[in-house]
Amino acid sequence: AQSVTQLGSHVSVSEGALVLLRCNYSSSVPPYLFWYVQYPNQGLQLLLKYTTGATLVKGINGFEAEFKKSETSFHLTKPSAHMSDAAEYFCAVSDRTGNQFYFGTGTSLTVIP
Amino acid sequence: KAGVTQTPRYLIKTRGQQVTLSCSPISGHRSVSWYQQTPGQGLQFLFEYFSETQRNKGNFPGRFSGRQFSNSRSEMNVSTLELGDSALYLCASRNSGANVLTFGAGSRLTVL
Repeated sequence: AQSVTQLGSHVSVSEGALVLLRCNYSSSVPPYLFWYVQYPNQGLQLLLKYTTGATLVKGINGFEAEFKKSETSFHLTKPSAHMSDAAEYFCAVSDRTGNQFYFGTGTSLTVIP
Repeated sequence: KAGVTQTPRYLIKTRGQQVTLSCSPISGHRSVSWYQQTPGQGLQFLFEYFSETQRNKGNFPGRFSGRQFSNSRSEMNVSTLELGDSALYLCASRNSGANVLTFGAGSRLTVL
């Protein structure tokens, strides 16, 4: 069975500060890992994904995440927060068939001017 | 390429009624999944359809059902609505062999 835990349902950062959103997963097999972002009244948009290869993955809007197998983590970071980054962020895991995805409960990011 | 289209975007129903939501996937995508999103619960998986067959099902009561048509468009139906069914219902499509879900904007259901 697979599951995802996102630590911190709400995170606030100042504009220009580092963004760190935490995600830990549980999986009996090497998983595929994803971060999605959701803006108000919209669906989820893919930020980045890890499948195989390089463990540091770069995504859109300056975000990146690092797959750490030993820590079963896939934390999302951005060096400098922008007001437009305020949104809900979801971490997700799937097995290699991709037939089912498991999502975390989300982290709401607030950016303080 | 057009994205995933969900209709209607917003709707209000009363307890006991039923509702049908529609999802048109990206052209060529044969897999369609449905999720229920509520505050604090995140995304809960409802079901997935592939080539008109339900391939996976989440842990929801039988009041929640779905189907997929030969053109890959999908509908989900909720009968005997309850207040707790108020949620954002998201549809996502996926291309065979590609492990990425592409989401629609969702249908926001309010049950009064």
